[in-house]
Amino acid sequence: EVQLVESGGGLVKPGGSLRLSCAASGFAFRNYSMNWVRQAPGKGLEWVSSISSNSRHIYYGDSLRGRFTISRDNAKNSLYLQINRLRAEDTAVYFCAKDREIIAAAGLDFDSWGQGTLVIVSS
Amino acid sequence: DIVMTQSPDSLAVSLGERATINCKSSQSVLYSSNNKDYLAWYQQKPGQPPKLLIYWASTRESGVPDRFSGSGSGTDFTLTISSLQAEDVAIYYCQQYYSNPAFGQGTKVEIK
Repeated sequence: EVQLVESGGGLVKPGGSLRLSCAASGFAFRNYSMNWVRQAPGKGLEWVSSISSNSRHIYYGDSLRGRFTISRDNAKNSLYLQINRLRAEDTAVYFCAKDREIIAAAGLDFDSWGQGTLVIVSS
Repeated sequence: DIVMTQSPDSLAVSLGERATINCKSSQSVLYSSNNKDYLAWYQQKPGQPPKLLIYWASTRESGVPDRFSGSGSGTDFTLTISSLQAEDVAIYYCQQYYSNPAFGQGTKVEIK
């Protein structure tokens, strides 16, 4: 059974930093592209970033490039998202999600999701 | 960037009746090289992560009841729930993956 467990969220002051983690199990993590999607309270889904299986292809949402850094460690079956210079509008549940298919590029449709980790940016 | 627009924002349907949700992309998501539409549908219930229902615009994910169906091509797509059940109350999102992924704003489905 595929499991994705996010961690690292919490309350952070504006301007601060956080590193989110996603621990994967139940599938060959090294073969799949992975993604971060966020959801602000009471709002819709926003794609954040995608990374290919070998980390060669990395993509970010247009408004997020520069403050967000996605990475992965295939030896540890883990996905990460570093967020710097946090703003109030970054307050959201951050989900990690797995691509459904094994292909070279990243960011297709997502067949497995974690429960999410909540990030609150407030002074 | 491709913008996804869903309609309506919400709808109320009687149990056993049909629910129809529309999704329009700002440009075609049909890849001519493989004739596939890069369009997915998700269901999200309160307090839960989204669940993949449909991919390639019309292929049902394993385990998804056959009352859910997807149709359309190019820029116009539809998710149909043929006979609404109580457990289908949720928010539904379309998503294109032709370019960097983008979601529609969501459609809330309730019981009338």
